[in-house]
Amino acid sequence: AQTVTQSQPEMSVQEAETVTLSCTYDTSESDYYLFWYKQPPSRQMILVIRQEAYKQQNATENRFSVNFQKAAKSFSLKISDSQLGDAAMYFCAYEDGYGNKLVFGAGTILRVKS
Amino acid sequence: DAGVTQSPTHLIKTRGQHVTLRCSPISGHKSVSWYQQVLGQGPQFIFQYYEKEERGRGNFPDRFSARQFPNYSSELNVNALLLGDSALYLCASSLLAGQGHYEQYFGPGTRLTVT
Repeated sequence: AQTVTQSQPEMSVQEAETVTLSCTYDTSESDYYLFWYKQPPSRQMILVIRQEAYKQQNATENRFSVNFQKAAKSFSLKISDSQLGDAAMYFCAYEDGYGNKLVFGAGTILRVKS
Repeated sequence: DAGVTQSPTHLIKTRGQHVTLRCSPISGHKSVSWYQQVLGQGPQFIFQYYEKEERGRGNFPDRFSARQFPNYSSELNVNALLLGDSALYLCASSLLAGQGHYEQYFGPGTRLTVT
């Protein structure tokens, strides 16, 4: 079974600084997708960024970028120029190539200090 | 366009009771998935429905059941509620399922408290 591990329960970053959230996963599949979701106190789960396993190039979305290391099964999220609105719970998630269930990590609480 | 909607927003039930949670997918979406998120943890997959058929089931007891209607809305039913069923229940919809990746869009969730 696939598993997703987030080893940082909580992280803090100063406004305008850069922070990296870590994620590792385990799978025997070759075709899969990885995601970072943001869940603010409002509870709405919001997709931050997506990475297809077959793509070697790391995904980027404005201030958000990932470091995808397929051999190491590592998928970290870098947030640049952190803003107060980035404060939330961040979840790393895995989906196999057949459109099945999302498997989530335990989450990392990100606090942004002004 | 309206996003995924869920009702009710909050719900308080007593142990042993039954509960029904409802989800309306984004217009045109044919797949609905349900997740349980216990406080402080990541969401856990419960069910996926596609074209009114159950396509996947997570590791949950038979007290949990679901169905999808012809208009693609869905209900999650939980019987004989336990204190451990207290959680945020999330619904996600996607355009299709089982043919590669289709983005899942989440609703705001239903907060269930069992006393």
